[in-house]
Amino acid sequence: KNEVEQSPQNLTAQEGEFITINCSYSVGISALHWLQQHPGGGIVSLFMLSSGKKKHGRLIATINIQEKHSSLHITASHPRDSAVYICAVSLRGSNYKLTFGKGTLLTVNP
Amino acid sequence: GAVVSQHPSWVICKSGTSVKIECRSLDFQATTMFWYRQFPKQSLMLMATSNEGSKATYEQGVEKDKFLINHASLTLSTLTVTSAHPEDSSFYICSARRGLTNEKLFFGSGTQLSVL
Repeated sequence: KNEVEQSPQNLTAQEGEFITINCSYSVGISALHWLQQHPGGGIVSLFMLSSGKKKHGRLIATINIQEKHSSLHITASHPRDSAVYICAVSLRGSNYKLTFGKGTLLTVNP
Repeated sequence: GAVVSQHPSWVICKSGTSVKIECRSLDFQATTMFWYRQFPKQSLMLMATSNEGSKATYEQGVEKDKFLINHASLTLSTLTVTSAHPEDSSFYICSARRGLTNEKLFFGSGTQLSVL
């Protein structure tokens, strides 16, 4: 069993829809990261969370430490949001080393 | 915002040759840099952790003599794939940690390596 599980694996939405991607982990962590990978491969770090909730524009990330679960929400989705979204965790005491989920491929159709 | 520059973006080489990939933090000092590899449709896998001025720490299963990592300054880390083979063909990407504070990581744009 992977230490980081994401769902769904693939997600197709219509422009304007509210998107939720989920991430569960099974180990003690110091932080959880949400990353965005575009088709060319480049990765952008969207959020780093250790508790609570963060918001940046149309993106919202939440984490529940007790339940070992995080969600990434996209409001008013747009075709340019189409990308792979990756959940990654920094294991406690690991000096920032990341363990990655397999990613969620999001396609937003116009 | 912080920028990490990675070069080259893609490289094609013959089997047996060596390839060097550079990762530079352009506007901050990176105390720690990380190198990852990603095979098609697979998740990213950490290869090694590179701290400035010291030897890299390699993950289990990663050959340190094959994947040479040098972190000679606070702004530059290099990964050299020595005697490359077709099975080394992959997407390699670096990330950098700014300072010692609890901040998110900054990623390079990645290098697609194809070994013929």
